[in-house]
Amino acid sequence: GAGVSQSPSNKVTEKGKDVELRCDPISGHTALYWYRQSLGQGLEFLIYFQGNSAPDKSGLPSDRFSAERTGGSVSTLTIQRTQQEDSAVYLCASSLEATLVGPRAFFGQGTRLTVV
Amino acid sequence: AQKITQTQPGMFVQEKEAVTLDCTYDTSDPSYGLFWYKQPSSGEMIFLIYQGSYDQQNATEGRYSLNFQKARKSANLVISASQLGDSAMYFCAMREGGAGRRALTFGSGTRLQVQP
Repeated sequence: GAGVSQSPSNKVTEKGKDVELRCDPISGHTALYWYRQSLGQGLEFLIYFQGNSAPDKSGLPSDRFSAERTGGSVSTLTIQRTQQEDSAVYLCASSLEATLVGPRAFFGQGTRLTVV
Repeated sequence: AQKITQTQPGMFVQEKEAVTLDCTYDTSDPSYGLFWYKQPSSGEMIFLIYQGSYDQQNATEGRYSLNFQKARKSANLVISASQLGDSAMYFCAMREGGAGRRALTFGSGTRLQVQP
């Protein structure tokens, strides 16, 4: 696609349920990132994928959070047993090969998750 | 320790005037890239400008310029001739090369309000 696509755009879930958020990066982009942004706050790094390398999971806040990237393209962020503090906008971004420092990241529109 | 520090939570500027948004960074890696993104109230993340650590000249993109002072580890964004549409959150970000994190690390942001 022309840009980074995220789905759903909005998700309301009950506390304790599992949710899956999807990210479809720009074709040809080998790097993919997930960030979380709480209301009025900055972007909190969650996880980073680069090609076939092991992902950098250092930003995942707990073992309830996991992500995978299938075939080097689409990525799914899964949150198990959701809590109210998980409510935030989840942003996905992709970029060209990130072994260089320069490639800019293109962001999706985000998924607004509300846990009630 | 914070990798990216933005010390101005909010800034006001009169329309048509210039404004500087501060950003300092912390890295021991000689290779890194610095980015500025704009996030309007719609929530999208818009790339503005990039500066590489080895770039000899300050980056410019239209009304945006980056005042890069390597020794001070600062990468301030200068917006000239402010417009009402410049009202938004502005985030400074860094990607480290070498053994550092490849994902973008973001500052906490500065909310800019342009007044008529």
